Amino acid sequence: EPEVTQTPSHQVTQMGQEVILRCVPISNHLYFYWYRQILGQKVEFLVSFYNNEISEKSEIFDDQFSVERPDGSNFTLKIRSTKLEDSAMYFCASSGRGRVEAFFGQGTRLTVV
Amino acid sequence: RKEVEQDPGPFNVPEGATVAFNCTYSNSASQSFFWYRQDCRKEPKLLMSVYSSGNEDGRFTAQLNRASQYISLLIRDSKLSDSATYLCVVNRPGGGFQKLVFGTGTRLLVSP
Repeated sequence: EPEVTQTPSHQVTQMGQEVILRCVPISNHLYFYWYRQILGQKVEFLVSFYNNEISEKSEIFDDQFSVERPDGSNFTLKIRSTKLEDSAMYFCASSGRGRVEAFFGQGTRLTVV
Repeated sequence: RKEVEQDPGPFNVPEGATVAFNCTYSNSASQSFFWYRQDCRKEPKLLMSVYSSGNEDGRFTAQLNRASQYISLLIRDSKLSDSATYLCVVNRPGGGFQKLVFGTGTRLLVSP
């Protein structure tokens, strides 16, 4: 069964450092998303991406965040200068043409120290 | 008012019990509704979409009441493996499609 894959599964970084979280969406999907979940809290939307551009972003997704689809398979989330409050589980998701339901990767646990 | 509201639980039920979860949403323009399941420290997994006519998948039945902006999930004959957090998810219409808004989840514990 096709699945969304994310790397790394866990990343520890120092405050102020840049991190790149990587995702390989399901191959025939067209819409890509990043969500995050702070421990004990709900899953929150960060950004959606379609046709090589951001289609929507939340207020969380400020100038420190960027997304890219550098080739036909990878989808990345970059945090330029990490803060302690960026510590969370980051989930990549994708959905197919005409479909609203999204399928999630296993997540990257980001710990900022 | 929260966009998607759920009773956080936990719901503690014995194996074989029937349990129902409820969810309300605030945006009347929402058009797509889902139940996802999330195990501890894992990703949300799609359990089922929810349609106006109601839909059933094995032991799981989902209902949608648009007039009341209310969604429900019924689990019959609970199994130990049903223990998880159940997330009510609604799309936020306008300003970009396919943006999902999650409830905080309802935790279910099924005991032997």
